[in-house]
Amino acid sequence: DIEMTQSPSSLSASVGDRVTITCRASQTIDTSLNWYQQKPGKAPKLLIYETSSLQSGVPSRFSGSGSGTDFTLTISSLHPEDFATYYCQQSHTTPITFGHGTRLEIK
Amino acid sequence: EGQLVESGGGLVQPGRSLRLSCTTSGFAFGDYAMSWVRQAPGKGLEWVGFIRSKTYVGTRDYAPSVEGRFSISRDDSKSIAYLQMNSLKTEDTAVYYCTKGPSSGWYSGYYFDLWGQGTLVTVSS
Repeated sequence: DIEMTQSPSSLSASVGDRVTITCRASQTIDTSLNWYQQKPGKAPKLLIYETSSLQSGVPSRFSGSGSGTDFTLTISSLHPEDFATYYCQQSHTTPITFGHGTRLEIK
Repeated sequence: EGQLVESGGGLVQPGRSLRLSCTTSGFAFGDYAMSWVRQAPGKGLEWVGFIRSKTYVGTRDYAPSVEGRFSISRDDSKSIAYLQMNSLKTEDTAVYYCTKGPSSGWYSGYYFDLWGQGTLVTVSS
């Protein structure tokens, strides 16, 4: 199975900050990497698919990059509604696997 | 855009069975793979499995943790997907989400652009 390692596991930041979350795959997954945002009590929401494609309706302050085994999600300027938990997920092979999540909290 | 609504969750004893349903609307259900993802209380996301569209003979794939115990099926005439869970264990306690992929095709079930609200399954004696 491909193991997905996210860092950091939690992060405190302020409105307006630039934030980067990283995700590392245990083996190469080309660009088959997706990012989700989840708020408490809600279903996850797809933000970025295939490393860098922005899902329809997602603000342009979200961006993704990387290839192979190392990937990043960047929020260019945090808005209050961005405080949530973020998960990466590989869609290269089954079993499909997720990172353990990064909890983004208000400083 | 579409909508997914899960039902069938509840409290069940270890070793028993439960079937979840995912009622869909607003998209061409028969063209898409349908997947299930679960989340144990306070934990992260875990893929459970998917079933491809009839174009791909409805082939299925499952996470190792549920292989042989869980089964996914679909009724294209009703636009409903099912998750049959047998031999339930306490570690199967989770919110179960129904999801679909953003495109049709072989890889349709590999990531998820539409999610239901989830249904809680509690396995306890």
